[in-house]
Amino acid sequence: AQTVTQSQPEMSVQEAETVTLSCTYDTSESDYYLFWYKQPPSRQMILVIRQEAYKQQNATENRFSVNFQKAAKSFSLKISDSQLGDAAMYFCAYRTPYSGGGADGLTFGKGTHLIIQP
Amino acid sequence: DAGVIQSPRHEVTEMGQEVTLRCKPISGHNSLFWYRQTMMRGLELLIYFNNNVPIDDSGMPEDRFSAKMPNASFSTLKIQPSEPRDSAVYFCASSPGGTNSPLHFGNGTRLTVT
Repeated sequence: AQTVTQSQPEMSVQEAETVTLSCTYDTSESDYYLFWYKQPPSRQMILVIRQEAYKQQNATENRFSVNFQKAAKSFSLKISDSQLGDAAMYFCAYRTPYSGGGADGLTFGKGTHLIIQP
Repeated sequence: DAGVIQSPRHEVTEMGQEVTLRCKPISGHNSLFWYRQTMMRGLELLIYFNNNVPIDDSGMPEDRFSAKMPNASFSTLKIQPSEPRDSAVYFCASSPGGTNSPLHFGNGTRLTVT
């Protein structure tokens, strides 16, 4: 079974600074998909960014970018120019290609609580 | 696009009562997922459907939990009888075909069983 580990329960960063959230995963598959979701206090789950394992280029969405190291099974999220609205729980998630025999859906890490200091 | 719609947003009930949570997925999405979120266990996949058919319910904790998807636009998660340890936030999510797609989540139902 796949597992996703987020080793930082909480991170704090000054507004306008850069912060990196860590994520590692364990899988025996070669093709899969990785996601970062944000959950603000409203508890809504918001997609931040996604990465296909077969793509070597790191995904970028405005101030959010990832550092995907497939051999190391690492998928970190970098937030540049942190803003107060970035304060939330951040979840790393893994999705396997659908094989027709089950095992779909996202496997989530336990999350990192990001605090933005004004 | 209204997104995934869940109801109710909050539910408070007494132990032993039946609870039904409802979900309307995004139109055109053929996969639907039910998740449970607690502080202790994080986000857990309970069950998912593909084209209205339950594919994997291995995450359903006990026989007290059941889920149905009678058509492509509606699903329910039922707990009968409810227990205090069922208190959690329950999310419904949907996804279009293809596992390179992200899941789109509803706003969740916060269930409190007293």
